[in-house]
Amino acid sequence: DIVMTQSPDSLAVSLGERATINCKSSQSVLYNSNNKNYLAWYQQKPGQPPKLLISWASTRVSGVPDRFSGSGSGTDFTLTISSLQAEDVAVYYCQQYYSQTTFGQGTKVEIK
Amino acid sequence: QVQLQESGPGLVKPSGTLSLTCAVSGGSLSSSNWWSWVRQPPGKGLEWIGEIYPSGSTNFNPSLKSRVTISVDKSKNQFSLNLSSVTAADTAVYYCARGVNSGWSGRYFDSWGQGTLVTVSS
Repeated sequence: DIVMTQSPDSLAVSLGERATINCKSSQSVLYNSNNKNYLAWYQQKPGQPPKLLISWASTRVSGVPDRFSGSGSGTDFTLTISSLQAEDVAVYYCQQYYSQTTFGQGTKVEIK
Repeated sequence: QVQLQESGPGLVKPSGTLSLTCAVSGGSLSSSNWWSWVRQPPGKGLEWIGEIYPSGSTNFNPSLKSRVTISVDKSKNQFSLNLSSVTAADTAVYYCARGVNSGWSGRYFDSWGQGTLVTVSS
């Protein structure tokens, strides 16, 4: 199994400031034949199902605000919220879908 | 916009079988997508259970494979999960989700049901 490890487990950021979440996979999720990273990011608010934000490591889903961005390749990935809004308080998960699928343990984002 | 809705008993006895159904509306189960079950123990993270393709092909999380069955009923536009020999460790919110075909081994999930809490207790 590919193990996904997120850091930090939680972070508190002031409104309007940048939030950065890291995700590391135990093996590369880059498929060399198509040069795509099989990595997605989700947002989960209390009492709600996860919501897909980003697929292919950096492709934002239609309707997701552009303050959310994904980057990275191979084994190291980052989700950045460029200017934190109150509605961004949630738990964020990375997921690899290179070999079946596994999720990171989640990162809780709060307002400082 | 496809919608998914889980249904089934909220309480299952230890050693029994957990059975859930996911009804799909606003889209066809027969589209070129995989259909998955994902669970989340209270206060914990997400665990993929398994998936089914409209043809009936299935894939399972190796850690649960021996206890999981997933089936599809295209006439009713729904798919189902059976998890046998349950223990308290199987207590979780169970989600059904639509998996986007990545052309490789796994899927990412673009639509989710609201989830249903299943408690394993006597």
